[in-house]
Amino acid sequence: AQKVTQAQTEISVVEKEDVTLDCVYETRDTTYYLFWYKQPPSGELVFLIRRNSFDEQNEISGRYSWNFQKSTSSFNFTITASQVVDSAVYFCALSGTNFGNEKLTFGTGTRLTIIP
Amino acid sequence: GAGVSQSPSNKVTEKGKDVELRCDPISGHTALYWYRQSLGQGLEFLIYFQGNSAPDKSGLPSDRFSAERTGGSVSTLTIQRTQQEDSAVYLCASSLGPAGGPYEQYFGPGTRLTVT
Repeated sequence: AQKVTQAQTEISVVEKEDVTLDCVYETRDTTYYLFWYKQPPSGELVFLIRRNSFDEQNEISGRYSWNFQKSTSSFNFTITASQVVDSAVYFCALSGTNFGNEKLTFGTGTRLTIIP
Repeated sequence: GAGVSQSPSNKVTEKGKDVELRCDPISGHTALYWYRQSLGQGLEFLIYFQGNSAPDKSGLPSDRFSAERTGGSVSTLTIQRTQQEDSAVYLCASSLGPAGGPYEQYFGPGTRLTVT
């Protein structure tokens, strides 16, 4: 069975601070994909990143960066110089690669509030 | 291009009635997923369609839930004899697939179902 744990339920930081959202996963698959989604107050889930389990290189996209560590089964997300528009619920998700296993297993989400 | 669309955006129904929720995926996406989001259960997978393959129904919570996908495009999720615990936001997502996948899933705005 697959499982995703986001231990941080809520985080509040002052604007311009850096913040890291933690994600730990469990899977028996040797090949899998990890994702991060953002759910702003409007409610629609927005795709942020997809990462293959074979690719452990960290990725940076603007103010966003992701740290994938297979040894600790973690896929953490850092926002640098946070802005009020970053306020949202962030979900980490895991997917297998075989039919029947390609559904997303989501964590419970981390509600991030950026204080102006 | 057009994203995933869902209708209706809101549905209020009386306990015991049947409801139909519609999803129009992104054109060219062969994979279609239904999830639901509720306060108590988070984001849960319901059902997955991939091309002409038999759907993965492993997430459907009871036999009152069913879904179909016509012509490899539009999908309808049907809930029969609705119960109050069915109240949730029902989300549809679509993605490319399966070769090279699984790919990121793009979500619609959801249908908020309230059972009174």
